[in-house]
Amino acid sequence: AQTVTQSQPEMSVQEAETVTLSCTYDTSESNYYLFWYKQPPSRQMILVIRQEAYKQQNATENRFSVNFQKAAKSFSLKISDSQLGDTAMYFCAFMTYFGSSNTGKLIFGQGTTLQVKP
Amino acid sequence: NAGVMQNPRHLVRRRGQEARLRCSPMKGHSHVYWYRQLPEEGLKFMVYLQKENIIDESGMPKERFSAEFPKEGPSILRIQQVVRGDSAAYFCASSPRTENNEQFFGPGTRLTVL
Repeated sequence: AQTVTQSQPEMSVQEAETVTLSCTYDTSESNYYLFWYKQPPSRQMILVIRQEAYKQQNATENRFSVNFQKAAKSFSLKISDSQLGDTAMYFCAFMTYFGSSNTGKLIFGQGTTLQVKP
Repeated sequence: NAGVMQNPRHLVRRRGQEARLRCSPMKGHSHVYWYRQLPEEGLKFMVYLQKENIIDESGMPKERFSAEFPKEGPSILRIQQVVRGDSAAYFCASSPRTENNEQFFGPGTRLTVL
């Protein structure tokens, strides 16, 4: 069974600085996706960034980038130039490719609460 | 193009009552996933449905919980004889197809059992 672990329950960062959130996962699959979702106080789940396991290049979306280490099964999120609006809970998630035995469900970590301070 | 709709947004029930949570997927999406988020925890998969079919219910409690996605109308997650431990946020997500596609989340329904 796949598992996702986020070992940092809470983190804080000063506005405009950089912060890195950690995520490790366990799987025997070779083809899968990894995601970071943001959940602000409104509770809406917002996709921040996604990474396909077969791609060696790390995904980037504006101020958000990942460090994907497939051999180490590590998938960290770096937020550059942190903004007050980045304050939220962040979830790392895993999904195997859709197939006969995989139904595309997301497996989430426990979350990291990020507080951006002015 | 409206996003995923869930209603009600907040639902209060007394122990023993039934809770019905509705999810209208995005237009053109025929795949629906339900997830539950207990306080201070991540989301946990419950069930995956396509139109008129339950495909994967491996995360659904065996008793009191059921889900459907009829040919017409929203997907329904039904909890019978609710208990305090059912208090949680319930999210649904829709996808146009599961192969390599993003799941779009609704705003969630927060269920409180008194």
